[in-house]
Amino acid sequence: DAGVIQSPRHEVTEMGQEVTLRCKPISGHNSLFWYRQTMMRGLELLIYFNNNVPIDDSGMPEDRFSAKMPNASFSTLKIQPSEPRDSAVYFCAILAGGRNEQFFGPGTRLTVL
Amino acid sequence: DQQVKQNSPSLSVQEGRISILNCDYTNSMFDYFLWYKKYPAEGPTFLISISSIKDKNEDGRFTVFLNKSAKHLSLHIVPSQPGDSAVYFCAASAVIQGAQKLVFGQGTRLTINP
Repeated sequence: DAGVIQSPRHEVTEMGQEVTLRCKPISGHNSLFWYRQTMMRGLELLIYFNNNVPIDDSGMPEDRFSAKMPNASFSTLKIQPSEPRDSAVYFCAILAGGRNEQFFGPGTRLTVL
Repeated sequence: DQQVKQNSPSLSVQEGRISILNCDYTNSMFDYFLWYKKYPAEGPTFLISISSIKDKNEDGRFTVFLNKSAKHLSLHIVPSQPGDSAVYFCAASAVIQGAQKLVFGQGTRLTINP
């Protein structure tokens, strides 16, 4: 089972606050991806990890965004300080072992007021 | 610079007819292409894929066609059913530093009318 748990599912916060989004693959996976979906830009890759090491973070919009993957079963995406334009749905995805397709979590809908 | 483009933000098709969703890409390094389907409040789910060495892949009602010379792929759904109403994302894949990287299009919202 290549399930992905994301928490929280919904987050509403005020501008300037720190936000931490969490991703927990049900089974440990070596490759993990963070995406952001907005109406204007569709699905954008923010960062991806391979063997817990960040490989490409060129999609991270600003220094306010940071991501960590301390082990194969957990990753966080942090925004500090948050701004209204960060409002979006954030997805975590993993590679389904041995296959080319990525398996997505249900997403976290972030609203920054 | 949008490397993967879906130029139709929405498409409306009558139930039972064929739905054709289109996608264009610019980077010749992409070697694998995928279609994802997304329902509201859910993550995208994998639908069908095709390797760059093929020009067609079929799975039930879904067929993906790849035209490498035109850098174009399309998804055909026939016959279309109401449950097919969703947002469809085209994605192109390249392996970078040992990990697969997907670049997504903007998505096309497909509505199947009864």
